[in-house]
Amino acid sequence: GENVEQHPSTLSVQEGDSAVIKCTYSDSASNYFPWYKQELGKGPQLIIDIRSNVGEKKDQRIAVTLNKTAKHFSLHITETQPEDSAVYFCAASRRGGGADGLTFGKGTHLIIQP
Amino acid sequence: DTGVSQDPRHKITKRGQNVTFRCDPISEHNRLYWYRQTLGQGPEFLTYFQNEAQLEKSRLLSDRFSAERPKGSFSTLEIQRTEQGDSAMYLCASSIGTGYEQYFGPGTRLTVT
Repeated sequence: GENVEQHPSTLSVQEGDSAVIKCTYSDSASNYFPWYKQELGKGPQLIIDIRSNVGEKKDQRIAVTLNKTAKHFSLHITETQPEDSAVYFCAASRRGGGADGLTFGKGTHLIIQP
Repeated sequence: DTGVSQDPRHKITKRGQNVTFRCDPISEHNRLYWYRQTLGQGPEFLTYFQNEAQLEKSRLLSDRFSAERPKGSFSTLEIQRTEQGDSAMYLCASSIGTGYEQYFGPGTRLTVT
């Protein structure tokens, strides 16, 4: 089955700086890669996603890049703000290929220092 | 659009008891997923329904766990003979048939004492 590795486990950045979280996956048939933000006591919130036919996607301060050859994808957050502090999860799935359930990484605790 | 709802939000039960959780997906979302999340870990996939058909089950879904979605709308997850290792957050997500995005509910936190 799919295995997703996520790094770092904790990331502390100064407010206004950029943050980068990286993930690798093992199943070359995976074709869908979402990122979720989870705040304490809440369910994961989808913030951005990318499909395997695209190399990069951007939404305001958030961007995701995908390298299918190397089987890794990254989340980039620019101009970080205090409300960006949360746990971020990457995930992968083989959507439509009999494995629609998401496989998640272990999460990155992002701390924005004022 | 009211989002995915789950009930109850918290459940404390004694070891050996049965518990049942309910998930109401976003209206018109015909795909429904169950995940389990333990402290400090990412969610782990348990099972998924398209309409009322259960199409995928993880090996994590032991024979003490059963999920149903009888009319293709809400779903229930039952755990029989609970064990302390079942203590976790149980998350439900839904997606529209042609879509890839899964939207999560707030979860049900289960504590087995």
